[in-house]
Amino acid sequence: DSGVTQTPKHLITATGQRVTLRCSPRSGDLSVYWYQQSLDQGLQFLIHYYNGEERAKGNILERFSAQQFPDLHSELNLSSLELGDSALYFCASSVDGPSTDTQYFGPGTRLTVL
Amino acid sequence: AQSVTQPDIHITVSEGASLELRCNYSYGATPYLFWYVQSPGQGLQLLLKYFSGDTLVQGIKGFEAEFKRSQSSFNLRKPSVHWSDAAEYFCAVAGSNDYKLSFGAGTTVTVRA
Repeated sequence: DSGVTQTPKHLITATGQRVTLRCSPRSGDLSVYWYQQSLDQGLQFLIHYYNGEERAKGNILERFSAQQFPDLHSELNLSSLELGDSALYFCASSVDGPSTDTQYFGPGTRLTVL
Repeated sequence: AQSVTQPDIHITVSEGASLELRCNYSYGATPYLFWYVQSPGQGLQLLLKYFSGDTLVQGIKGFEAEFKRSQSSFNLRKPSVHWSDAAEYFCAVAGSNDYKLSFGAGTTVTVRA
């Protein structure tokens, strides 16, 4: 158990819908990262937040957005869903921002878009 | 831009045999290198990491990796594989000013009795 929690574990929805994935970092960690794992794209970095502020963006679609709240939990919002958005979405957390920190991964949320 | 190549998609190894997983990276400066393992239905667990210093890094579960700058490689090894080592293994790279991990495509390890 990494100490990072993600809810829900599974999500099944239809095209065009909007969903919210939630992540609670390890106690004391200020950074939250979101990654997408799909069969065709592999593991891709989406976005990084540090203490409530966006720090870095990867290949995140405009239909996707994220935020980190004052209690440090984070939400990833996916809208106008397409079949290709079906993937495993991981959240990771670390103490601080620099890459030398270990990123601890949550168990993931499996999103299925029908 | 940084990138990682894991040349082997799938490796089958007998229990008790040695294992080596290859990883080649591309990065303009000093890289920070990681190996993660993902068991079926699980998240990613860090096996080991290299930032600087000794190029032979020891990790958890009996794994080690060697950083070879001249070959741009960071290969993972285990002397004697256990059935519980069957999983998918990911090599990742980050830079000194990067916050993101760039992952390779992964290598699936099957352990046969």
